[in-house]
Amino acid sequence: EIVLTQSPATLSLSPGERATLSCRANQSVSRFLAWYQQHVGQAPRLLIYDASNRATGIPARFSGSGSGTDFTLTISSLEPEDFAVYYCQQRKNWPPLTFGGGTKVEIK
Amino acid sequence: EVQLVESGGGLVQPGGSLRLSCAASGFSFRTYWMSWGRQAPGKGLEWVANIKQDGSEKYYVDSLKGRFTISRDNAKNSLYLQMNSLRAEDTAVYYCARGMNGYEEYYDFWGQGTLVTVSS
Repeated sequence: EIVLTQSPATLSLSPGERATLSCRANQSVSRFLAWYQQHVGQAPRLLIYDASNRATGIPARFSGSGSGTDFTLTISSLEPEDFAVYYCQQRKNWPPLTFGGGTKVEIK
Repeated sequence: EVQLVESGGGLVQPGGSLRLSCAASGFSFRTYWMSWGRQAPGKGLEWVANIKQDGSEKYYVDSLKGRFTISRDNAKNSLYLQMNSLRAEDTAVYYCARGMNGYEEYYDFWGQGTLVTVSS
């Protein structure tokens, strides 16, 4: 099973700042990695798929990069609605499809 | 507009059973892989199972194999999850999700979830 480790667990930033979130896999997932955003009490929302492709309707301030075992989600300038929990997910080797433990982006 | 609406959650005793349903609308349900995921209170996301468009392929997380069964009825635009021998650790919000076209193992639409609580 592929294990995804996200860091940091919590990121405290102010609106307008840049957010950099990390996801590391215990073995290569090539570029088969996605990022999701989840607000409290809401369903997840797909942001990025295959490491760097923005999903439909996702603003350009969200970008993904990486390959192999190390991936990054960058939010170039945080908007108030971006404060949420972010999860990475791999589809390289499944079942099972696996998610990282999440990074919470909170208002500083 | 794509909509996924889960139902069937509730309080169940350990060892009991529950059947979750997901009503899909706003898209051609029969042409998409579908999935169930879950999220325990205060925890992260966990993939549970998925099913191919015609139901001919089903995959599960190992820890749930034998207790949970995913199924679908394309005529009713509905996805199901039969959960047997429920345990306290199955307590979670259960989400129905649609596999993205061409990238079926990524999920581009999710329902709002239904809460399952396993407790005596």
